[in-house]
Amino acid sequence: GENVEQHPSTLSVQEGDSAVIKCTYSDSASNYFPWYKQELGKGPQLIIDIRSNVGEKKDQRIAVTLNKTAKHFSLHITETQPEDSAVYFCAASKDTGNQFYFGTGTSLTVIP
Amino acid sequence: DVKVTQSSRYLVKRTGEKVFLECVQDMDHENMFWYRQDPGLGLRLIYFSYDVKMKEKGDIPEGYSVSREKKERFSLILESASTNQTSMYLCASSLRLAFKPISSYEQYFGPGTRLTVT
Repeated sequence: GENVEQHPSTLSVQEGDSAVIKCTYSDSASNYFPWYKQELGKGPQLIIDIRSNVGEKKDQRIAVTLNKTAKHFSLHITETQPEDSAVYFCAASKDTGNQFYFGTGTSLTVIP
Repeated sequence: DVKVTQSSRYLVKRTGEKVFLECVQDMDHENMFWYRQDPGLGLRLIYFSYDVKMKEKGDIPEGYSVSREKKERFSLILESASTNQTSMYLCASSLRLAFKPISSYEQYFGPGTRLTVT
């Protein structure tokens, strides 16, 4: 099966700085990579996703990059704000599976 | 607005009890999932279902069973609860990718049930 590794497990940044979270995956057949944000007391919510035919995708202050050759993808948050503080999960999936394999999560703290 | 609801936010049960966790979605999704979330381990899939009365084992099915009698409802059952099943349980749903492309692979999550087994 697929194995997704995520780093770092915790990350603290000053407000306004950038944050980067990295994930690697093992199955070269994976072709869909979502990122989820989980705020305290809530379920995870999709914030951005990327498919394997695209190298980069951006949505306002967040962006995701994908390197299929190296089998890794990253989440970039620019101009961080206190409301970005949350746990972030990456995941990988194959079209045929309908199943996601999640990373272990990164707890991001943005210090005002 | 899409919605996945779970029957309880907090639950305390005793060792050996049979426990039912209920999940309901109102989006007419084919797929439904049960995960458990533990610190440092992320989200681990227990079971999923891609249709009524269908189920597939995930990565950690031992000690759990599921039931899906209606499309909108997916139940997780702990036949005899044990202390190592103390955890946060998350339900999710999604459209099923079968033989046609879909607009979104997104899984929608409920708020979770914090289960404590004493």
